[in-house]
Amino acid sequence: NAGVTQTPKFQVLKTGQSMTLQCAQDMNHNSMYWYRQDPGMGLRLIYYSASEGTTDKGEVPNGYNVSRLNKREFSLRLESAAPSQTSVYFCASKSPENFLLPLHFGNGTRLTVT
Amino acid sequence: AQSVTQPDIHITVSEGASLELRCNYSYGATPYLFWYVQSPGQGLQLLLKYFSGDTLVQGIKGFEAEFKRSQSSFNLRKPSVHWSDAAEYFCAVGASGGSYIPTFGRGTSLIVHP
Repeated sequence: NAGVTQTPKFQVLKTGQSMTLQCAQDMNHNSMYWYRQDPGMGLRLIYYSASEGTTDKGEVPNGYNVSRLNKREFSLRLESAAPSQTSVYFCASKSPENFLLPLHFGNGTRLTVT
Repeated sequence: AQSVTQPDIHITVSEGASLELRCNYSYGATPYLFWYVQSPGQGLQLLLKYFSGDTLVQGIKGFEAEFKRSQSSFNLRKPSVHWSDAAEYFCAVGASGGSYIPTFGRGTSLIVHP
């Protein structure tokens, strides 16, 4: 019963390096989300995907790209990492058929950019 | 646009004491309200939710929350706190329809003293 799986758990990058954060869910959910969590800022939406083949910007999309590879997988890419992108990143998924259904979160990726 | 305010960044209570975490929301229509908990190093887990009906809702782990429309509040309570309740708590207001994108508050960190 894996739920939402994120890899890696930790990552350190140098400024300007690129990387992709991976997310996969096994709950057959249509909607998937990427959030970043910073102290005192709560969770801020980076990008979301309402269904396979669609993606949309959230509140803080600059510096990020996403790919909804298939129904299970939703990846987040940093093309040229900056220290301001040091954060904890959470992937979440949800079945959109009922708005009261909760988001299911992964355990996060802690990213440090030096 | 919907928004959520959690006025307390940190709350400290003694084990066995009662707890109330505050949440105020702004939403044009009937709100869909949620409380999530985040244990250290983990993703967020749903505690409880409200849409309509009884304004006092029960959740997991002995938590409850009361919806007060006149005060635009959805405060989380627990009669007797356990050390394992130490965590970050997030209030969220949801949108119906479309891709469903909840807005999270900035979180309240609960510290429990023995």
